[in-house]
Formats: sequence, structure tokens, C-alpha cells
Amino acid sequence: SQKIEQNSEALNIQEGKTATLTCNYTNYSPAYLQWYRQDPGRGPVFLLLIRENEKEKRKERLKVTFDTTLKQSLFHITASQPADSATYLCALGRRSGNTPLVFGKGTRLSVIA
Amino acid sequence: GAVVSQHPSWVICKSGTSVKIECRSLDFQATTMFWYRQFPKQSLMLMATSNEGSKATYEQGVEKDKFLINHASLTLSTLTVTSAHPEDSSFYICSASGGGDEQYFGPGTRLTVT
Repeated sequence: SQKIEQNSEALNIQEGKTATLTCNYTNYSPAYLQWYRQDPGRGPVFLLLIRENEKEKRKERLKVTFDTTLKQSLFHITASQPADSATYLCALGRRSGNTPLVFGKGTRLSVIA
Repeated sequence: GAVVSQHPSWVICKSGTSVKIECRSLDFQATTMFWYRQFPKQSLMLMATSNEGSKATYEQGVEKDKFLINHASLTLSTLTVTSAHPEDSSFYICSASGGGDEQYFGPGTRLTVT
């Protein structure tokens, strides 16, 4: 069965450092992969989307890589700030347009001042 | 842009009663809406996919007679939890798609059944 794993349930990091979160998947061939931020008691907020034919995407302090051979995505937050503390979810989409996403359990990031 | 709202944000109801949750796309037309459920420290689990004007497609294990979904317009989908029981207590989240790959999520509805 398809499986999505995010490297750890929780990650603590010092302010100013780069946080790196991992998303691995098996038995799945996504057309694209998305990263979301979720704060406690709130719905997920879309951050970045990367397609299967893309290697890297950037947005401000965020960077996502996608390796379909390794079946892995890395999500980086550079110059991390306490305000970046949240749970980050990776989600896979099988094909383009109006298809449901399959989510990982998320990694809870804590940035310590 | 791409704002999705949900109402109510939280609700407490007695066992055996029904609860309706609304999901609205405020600034775009959502051809498809999705309903997810999330238990504490768990992933979002897809319950059903709802296309405007047609019947919802439910995931395996989700009772369609218990979780009634209506998508009557391009900006509104509703989820009704019928005869709610304490085990239905959860965080219900909707998302909306305008046809592209991005999905925009609502803020969620916390349901507590006593």
C-alpha cells in the first residue's frame, strides 16, 4: 500500500539555522508534491508545489527539492525564526487537476530563540 | 486570493443529533471540494470528493449515509454528520480546487459530541 513518511515527528532547531524536513514515499507515483504549514487548531496553509519534472523550487526563505528516483522531497527553511514554528505537512497528488491529496503525518518544527 | 471559509469553527452537540458544516470558496469558483478529517497528532484523512452538481465520491470505510455531502453551487459544499456519536468527534477540514493542482484549505471545524 502507498506510504508517505516524514522524517521525524518533531524537530528542534536554533534560530537562524536552516531547518531541513524530509518526505519519503513508497508505492506511489505522484504528478506533484505540495508542502503545507499547519498551526494548532487551524487548517493547512499552502506553501509550495513542485511537479515531477522539476528538481527544485524556491520561495523567499523556502526551498523544496524533489527526487523521483529516491522518492523523496526535502523542504528547507533558511534563517529560521521562532515564527516558523508549526507542523509542516507534505502531500502528494497523483495527477493534475481536482484530485485529492495524500498527506504525511507532518513534522512539528520548533525554532528556539 | 483563494480564500476558503468554514462555518462553524467549532461545535458541541449531543449524541444522536445532526450537525451541518459549511465550506465556502470566497473569491473563486470551486469545481471540486474535498472533505478531510484529522484526529490529534494524525494526518489528514480524505473522507470524500465533491463535484458541483453531482454525488460525492466517498473513500473506503466512510459511511455515506452518516456523512452527507452536498455541493449545490460552485462556492458552497456542506457536510452533515447525522446521528453523531462521540467517536465522530474530530477536526473536519474542507479544501477547494478551481481546476488546478493547488488546493486551498478552510480553517477547519472542531466537532465535539457529548
